[in-house]
Amino acid sequence: AQTVTQSQPEMSVQEAETVTLSCTYDTSESDYYLFWYKQPPSRQMILVIRQEAYKQQNATENRFSVNFQKAAKSFSLKISDSQLGDAAMYFCAYREFSFFDNNDMRFGAGTRLTVKP
Amino acid sequence: DGGITQSPKYLFRKEGQNVTLSCEQNLNHDAMYWYRQDPGQGLRLIYYSQIVNDFQKGDIAEGYSVSREKKESFPLTVTSAQKNPTAFYLCASSIGPGADSPLHFGNGTRLTVT
Repeated sequence: AQTVTQSQPEMSVQEAETVTLSCTYDTSESDYYLFWYKQPPSRQMILVIRQEAYKQQNATENRFSVNFQKAAKSFSLKISDSQLGDAAMYFCAYREFSFFDNNDMRFGAGTRLTVKP
Repeated sequence: DGGITQSPKYLFRKEGQNVTLSCEQNLNHDAMYWYRQDPGQGLRLIYYSQIVNDFQKGDIAEGYSVSREKKESFPLTVTSAQKNPTAFYLCASSIGPGADSPLHFGNGTRLTVT
């Protein structure tokens, strides 16, 4: 089964600075999707960004961008100009591409991000 | 506003009792999911359903049961057979079962069994 690894249980960043959260995954497939979700203290999971494996261009959403290295099976999240509201648990997730089957979304264990004022 | 509603937010039960967690969505999504979240383990899939009256087991289905009688509703029953039921439970939905459909999550239910 595909696995997703987040090697940083906790990270901290100074407000307005940049931080990068790491994620690696294990798969033998060539088509898949990768996601970053944010879980603030309210505990609702919020989609931050999505990357399609067959697209070489890294996804970007405002202050959030990814560094997708397909050969290395790496999918890091960069948060620029960090804000206090970015403090949350961040989960990396993987989902295999299929037209027919509902494929389970595999989640990493999460990285807790603290933003210091 | 469209969304997913989980109730209650907190639930307390005695060991040996079955308990049902509610999940309702008004997003008109076909697929619905139940995840369990434990500290340090991310989210693990319990059950999922692609259409009404159909559902499949996830990785940790033992001790749980679900039903999907309506498109909007996907309740989860935690039975007395579940050995370690205390956890945070998240319900999610997606437009379809495809991999490109992101999951939309409810606010979760914290279940404590003593």
